[in-house]
Amino acid sequence: DVKVTQSSRYLVKRTGEKVFLECVQDMDHENMFWYRQDPGLGLRLIYFSYDVKMKEKGDIPEGYSVSREKKERFSLILESASTNQTSMYLCASSPGGESSGNTIYFGEGSWLTVV
Amino acid sequence: GDSVTQMEGPVTLSEEAFLTINCTYTATGYPSLFWYVQYPGEGLQLLLKATKADDKGSNKGFEATYRKETTSFHLEKGSVQVSDSAVYFCALRRKDTGNQFYFGTGTSLTVIP
Repeated sequence: DVKVTQSSRYLVKRTGEKVFLECVQDMDHENMFWYRQDPGLGLRLIYFSYDVKMKEKGDIPEGYSVSREKKERFSLILESASTNQTSMYLCASSPGGESSGNTIYFGEGSWLTVV
Repeated sequence: GDSVTQMEGPVTLSEEAFLTINCTYTATGYPSLFWYVQYPGEGLQLLLKATKADDKGSNKGFEATYRKETTSFHLEKGSVQVSDSAVYFCALRRKDTGNQFYFGTGTSLTVIP
């Protein structure tokens, strides 16, 4: 089974802190994603990466950055956390290649509260 | 651009009732379509998928048929259980836009005994 592991389930941080959310996948997937999930807004894509050291902005990249130094690991960084970044963050991965039937696999989510 | 529209919830049903959650999409080309389920406090899990027109995806009693003529992928189940209470997301993926997935906003389902 594919496993996507997010390092922290619940975090509480102070405004202005630098926050790291870590994600590891064990299936050698090329593609990795960070989403945030908010009530009434569904899933919104923050950043994605289709290869090591490559990254692409999603729909809401402002206030975030990412790092992919190794294929299995994709980190989301909040440079200076703000209260409007309180949310659930979901990491995901999927195989590369041409098949549009490839599935995306999600981690269990990280609940971040910024106070 | 590509998008997915789901019926708004929340939906509340009695056990053994029939379920339909509507999903329509906008995309050029030939996307694959997915339903994902999110149980309370968890991430999303694949429920079923269909990769071409007229395909039917099915799993755990849920079904959805890829209808190209109506650009729809409605989720159905003949008899829901309390354990089906969750949030359901419709999604699409097009191979010619890289590897992005486009999700609907989710439909919350509560099944009462």
